[in-house]
Amino acid sequence: DTGVSQNPRHKITKRGQNVTFRCDPISEHNRLYWYRQTLGQGPEFLTYFQNEAQLEKSRLLSDRFSAERPKGSFSTLEIQRTEQGDSAMYLCASSPMDGQFFGPGTRLTVL
Amino acid sequence: QKEVEQDPGPLSVPEGAIVSLNCTYSNSAFQYFMWYRQYSRKGPELLMYTYSSGNKEDGRFTAQVDKSSKYISLFIRDSQPSDSATYVCAMTNHNAGKSTFGDGTTLTVKP
Repeated sequence: DTGVSQNPRHKITKRGQNVTFRCDPISEHNRLYWYRQTLGQGPEFLTYFQNEAQLEKSRLLSDRFSAERPKGSFSTLEIQRTEQGDSAMYLCASSPMDGQFFGPGTRLTVL
Repeated sequence: QKEVEQDPGPLSVPEGAIVSLNCTYSNSAFQYFMWYRQYSRKGPELLMYTYSSGNKEDGRFTAQVDKSSKYISLFIRDSQPSDSATYVCAMTNHNAGKSTFGDGTTLTVKP
């Protein structure tokens, strides 16, 4: 399967804990995006990379959130000191030139 | 007011019906328009990608963009039960940037 992959698929954590998600994009895509989606809403943009450079961050991305793409391949999204409001589906997408191709998402539940 | 507004649905139609899904937007800088299909608890799947005004057809699906009215549509001909899903519109001002999404319309096609 050469699509976008995300791990883990599900994460349950207690409030205050740190969590890290991983995204492996389609190999020839140099752009990688993170979105967050809650029930009944469309995806909301968090941040995106072109190769290893983080080019844009949403104001939704508070200082508890950090994303990296160290070698321009896979990316990680870390949430520190999780809060119940962080519970959502975290989606990763990669892009060649036209359109973004999404992974299956990581569903985070903060208890 | 959101930048992208999508008819909320839900929409229920009999098999074989023509379905029309619609979005309006306020940002005149948007140039690229996408439609995604999303099944429950899955990531969005890119269906159609169009640039500028006009129609684009792919099998039973037709995407229509009217930039003068800031209005886009997705038409599904001869709808099938397998088309039952949430359809989400998205748009961006350049093909490398973040996408702004509607909140989705849930479609059910009844056999």
